[in-house]
Amino acid sequence: DVKVTQSSRYLVKRTGEKVFLECVQDMDHENMFWYRQDPGLGLRLIYFSYDVKMKEKGDIPEGYSVSREKKERFSLILESASTNQTSMYLCASSPGGNELFFGEGSRLTVL
Amino acid sequence: DQQVKQNSPSLSVQEGRISILNCDYTNSMFDYFLWYKKYPAEGPTFLISISSIKDKNEDGRFTVFLNKSAKHLSLHIVPSQPGDSAVYFCAAPGGSGAGSYQLTFGKGTKLSVIP
Repeated sequence: DVKVTQSSRYLVKRTGEKVFLECVQDMDHENMFWYRQDPGLGLRLIYFSYDVKMKEKGDIPEGYSVSREKKERFSLILESASTNQTSMYLCASSPGGNELFFGEGSRLTVL
Repeated sequence: DQQVKQNSPSLSVQEGRISILNCDYTNSMFDYFLWYKKYPAEGPTFLISISSIKDKNEDGRFTVFLNKSAKHLSLHIVPSQPGDSAVYFCAAPGGSGAGSYQLTFGKGTKLSVIP
């Protein structure tokens, strides 16, 4: 089974703090994604990566950056957290087909 | 511009009855559709998909119907069970940012199956 592991299930941070969300997949997938889920807004793509050190902006990249130094790991970085970044963050990976495999999510609260 | 639309935020159904979840899309280039199911505090899991060359795909209690002329698809769950209570997302590959790499999701429909 594909396993996508997100390092933190729940985080509470203060406004202005730098936040790292880590994601690791164990199936040698080429593509990795970060989405956020908000009530009434569905899942929105923040960034994705199709190869090591490659990254592309999704629909809502503002306020976020990413890092992919190794194939299995994709990190989402909030340089200066704000309250409107309180959300559920979902990492996913894909071998290149249409199906995404999601992690369990990281619930971030910014105070 | 929302390319995948789920216009019903919620749906309640009695156990044993049929649940019908609807999805509309605007991008005629979409040729593959997926349904994901999400429980609270968990990531979405793939449920069922359909290619545009088909108008129906069935997997156990779950059937997805595609009407290309109406740009509409629906997910039928028969019979509905309390464990089906979850948020269901309709999705299609493609989108404004990441092209075919990206899945564009609808806003989701929360299904509640009442025992």
